[in-house]
Amino acid sequence: GAVVSQHPSRVICKSGTSVKIECRSLDFQATTMFWYRQFPKQSLMLMATSNEGSKATYEQGVEKDKFLINHASLTLSTLTVTSAHPEDSSFYICSARQWSSGELFFGEGSRLTVL
Amino acid sequence: GQQVMQIPQYQHVQEGEDFTTYCNSSTTLSNIQWYKQRPGGHPVFLIQLVKSGEVKKQKRLTFQFGEAKKNSSLHITATQTTDVGTYFCAGPRGAQKLVFGQGTRLTINP
Repeated sequence: GAVVSQHPSRVICKSGTSVKIECRSLDFQATTMFWYRQFPKQSLMLMATSNEGSKATYEQGVEKDKFLINHASLTLSTLTVTSAHPEDSSFYICSARQWSSGELFFGEGSRLTVL
Repeated sequence: GQQVMQIPQYQHVQEGEDFTTYCNSSTTLSNIQWYKQRPGGHPVFLIQLVKSGEVKKQKRLTFQFGEAKKNSSLHITATQTTDVGTYFCAGPRGAQKLVFGQGTRLTINP
């Protein structure tokens, strides 16, 4: 089946630094990818919709200047957490929809810890 | 806005017992999807239901979509330790987005 790869799987950074997370669709083209955040023992909360070649659309309450999303190609979307703070520590998961099946494939997730 | 409510939040069963999680939407859904997330892992697609009253089975898992297309359920018969994880339902919001329920965390006593 289709595969979505996410990197890095774990990252620890100091407060104030920026972290970039990559999401790749390995065997299909994804014009749209989604970024979710999941806090421990909670559900997935949609952060933004990443559109290839255009600006991402953010959900209400998500700071677009803090969570920069770039979707430069049909197989790659990146999420950059700028000036990270401890409260940004979370599990970030990307997903991409394979339009032929409608199925949504998730990346393995990236666990961010901000010290 | 659209909400997808899922109950129970937690369920602990003895191995071999059955398990059911329920999902309710505040609005009619064009489809509903179910995902499983193992501890420490990422969500994995299980199934999509589209038709009113639809019932689909995957081995010991039975998925139902309500007649009004506002509720759904996942039933596992004779649970096994490999069934441990959190089960999420998800409904579409708009043309592309997916809204997830809160999930039901299943733990099993072997």
